[in-house]
Amino acid sequence: QTVVTQEPSFSVSPGGTVTLTCGLSSGSVSTSYYPSWYRQTPGQAPRTLIYNTNIRSSGVPGRFSGYILGNRAALTITGAQADDESDYYCLLYMTSGIYVFGTGTTVTVL
Amino acid sequence: EVQLVESGGILVQPGGSLRLSCAASGFTFNRYWMSWVRQAPGKGLEWVANIKRDGSEQHYMDSVKGRFTISRDNVKNSLFLQMNSLRVEDTAVYYCARDLRDAGSYPYFDYWGQGTQVTVSS
Repeated sequence: QTVVTQEPSFSVSPGGTVTLTCGLSSGSVSTSYYPSWYRQTPGQAPRTLIYNTNIRSSGVPGRFSGYILGNRAALTITGAQADDESDYYCLLYMTSGIYVFGTGTTVTVL
Repeated sequence: EVQLVESGGILVQPGGSLRLSCAASGFTFNRYWMSWVRQAPGKGLEWVANIKRDGSEQHYMDSVKGRFTISRDNVKNSLFLQMNSLRVEDTAVYYCARDLRDAGSYPYFDYWGQGTQVTVSS
């Protein structure tokens, strides 16, 4: 079974930069997996941030950027703000037609 | 405005059945794949199943194959998830999401409902 791994947590200072990554238990993440990123705050539905590796969803600030970093997908928050505190999930699309979410990363801004 | 509204979540005993619904509005429903995603208490997001625009193709995560069935009614703009042989570990908030796969875009989810709570417990 495919496992998509993310760092459990990160802490970043206001105005700082943090990079979250998303990897496969076996193999490398490439653009062929169409990585997308979502954020979720407690009790709320997820919201889309990035799709197709690096395209920001409508209304998403430019401080969020997606890309491939080595063999993993990455999401960088540049100039973190207090309201960026959230859980972040990557999502990979498999050639079999299924999707797999990453394990999620909790970002704390303090 | 795109809206997805889930319903049908309740408390059910292990081994029981349940049918979730998702009412879609604000877009041409039959032009999009749709997915169900769930989140167990205190856990991460988990993709459950998706269904093609015309209902002719479905995919499932391994742990629900043979127990869950995704379907849709393109006349009523509704998505369904029939859940049988429910287990305690199926307890979760279930979200429906618009799936952009094969919609002239890339495979990802752009709109989400607010979710419906399913609790499996004796």
